[in-house]
Amino acid sequence: GNSVTQMEGPVTLSEEAFLTINCTYTATGYPSLFWYVQYPGEGLQLLLKATKADDKGSNKGFEATYRKETTSFHLEKGSVQVSDSAVYFCALVTGGGNKLTFGTGTQLKVEL
Amino acid sequence: GAVVSQHPSWVICKSGTSVKIECRSLDFQATTMFWYRQFPKQSLMLMATSNEGSKATYEQGVEKDKFLINHASLTLSTLTVTSAHPEDSSFYICSTLIGTVQNTEAFFGQGTRLTVV
Repeated sequence: GNSVTQMEGPVTLSEEAFLTINCTYTATGYPSLFWYVQYPGEGLQLLLKATKADDKGSNKGFEATYRKETTSFHLEKGSVQVSDSAVYFCALVTGGGNKLTFGTGTQLKVEL
Repeated sequence: GAVVSQHPSWVICKSGTSVKIECRSLDFQATTMFWYRQFPKQSLMLMATSNEGSKATYEQGVEKDKFLINHASLTLSTLTVTSAHPEDSSFYICSTLIGTVQNTEAFFGQGTRLTVV
């Protein structure tokens, strides 16, 4: 079956620090990969996605590259802001299906 | 973008009572709604898929008689936790898709924190 493993939080950083949240996966077939973000009190929002190997998804300064050889989709940002404080979920879907498989979520706290 | 509104955002209920959670699509018609459950420090687990005008499809291990799902209109899906017990305490979240996941987005409600005492 499909599974997603992401680093446990919380991750606490100072503003302008570099961020990496690791995500690895196992999947049958060739998955599409996603990062979702949940700000306090809000629903999950799509942050970025990649649908095939070596694709790079990017949005709001965040990036993640689909690495088939390492089955990874690590989320990075060069300089985080306090407003980036949220919970980040890595997810995948396979085979044209519509069921997302999620990681456990990683809480990010950015301090001044 | 599309908005999915989920209500209530949190609820505390007594053991043995039932709780209804609503999920509305505000500016589009959602023929399919997904209901997830999340335990602390665990993944979102898909519970069931509701389709407007037909019976919901439940994932293996989910009790359909305990978690009643109704999708009577294109803008409203409800999840009712019947005869709730403390082990049902969890975070419930609804979601819908526009297009296929590879080509578009999943939109999520704000989630409902259920605490059964």
